Amino acid sequence: EDQVTQSPEALRLQEGESSSLNCSYTVSGLRGLFWYRQDPGKGPEFLFTLYSAGEEKEKERLKATLTKKESFLHITAPKPEDSATYLCAVQADTSGSRLTFGEGTQLTVNP
Amino acid sequence: SAVISQKPSRDICQRGTSLTIQCQVDSQVTMMFWYRQQPGQSLTLIATANQGSEATYESGFVIDKFPISRPNLTFSTLTVSNMSPEDSSIYLCSVDLQHGDTEAFFGQGTRLTVV
Repeated sequence: EDQVTQSPEALRLQEGESSSLNCSYTVSGLRGLFWYRQDPGKGPEFLFTLYSAGEEKEKERLKATLTKKESFLHITAPKPEDSATYLCAVQADTSGSRLTFGEGTQLTVNP
Repeated sequence: SAVISQKPSRDICQRGTSLTIQCQVDSQVTMMFWYRQQPGQSLTLIATANQGSEATYESGFVIDKFPISRPNLTFSTLTVSNMSPEDSSIYLCSVDLQHGDTEAFFGQGTRLTVV
C-alpha cells in the first residue's frame, strides 16, 4: 500500500527565515511525486511534479527535490503570502492516475 | 493548465437528502477524479470517472452512495446520496493533463455541510 508522511504538521516562520518541508513516501514504483499548495476554502494548486531521484524543480521561492525515499520542499526567504498548507502526493506505476496524499504541512509566515 | 469549475461551491443539506455536484473542465480529458477532504484531513480518492464506462470506486466507497456520471469529455457529476452528518466534507474534482510532464489540477471544491 502506498503511503505518504509529511513533517512537520505545522511550521511557523518569520518572514525571510528559510526552511524545508519533508515528504517521506513508500510506493511500489514511483511514477511521480506531486507538490500542491492549498489555501483555506480552496482546491489544491499544482506546484511541481518530480519523477526520479536527483531531480529538482524551482518556482519563485520554492524548490522541490527528490530522493528514493523522500522529497523536500525548500522555501527560501518566505513571505507572509506563502502561508498555506502544502500537500505532497505520490502516483504509483500500478495505480493508474490515482494520487495518494499526505496529511500536509500547515505553514505560517509571520511578518 | 486546466480551468475546472465546480458547482455548487458550498451547500447546507438536510440528512437523508441527496446533493449532485457538477464539474466542468475547459478542455477534453480522458479521466476525471473525485476526492473527498474531511475537516482537518488530507484528500482521499473516491472514484475515477472515464467517459463511456462505469466509474471505478476506491475501497470504502460504493456506487449506491456516490453515483457518478461522465456524459462527455468535459463534464462529470458526483451525487452524495442519503446524506448523514459524516458526509460533511469538501468534495473536489480533479483532472490529469499529460503533456509530457504530468500535472493534476483541482477544482475549487464543494463544501458540504449536512445537518
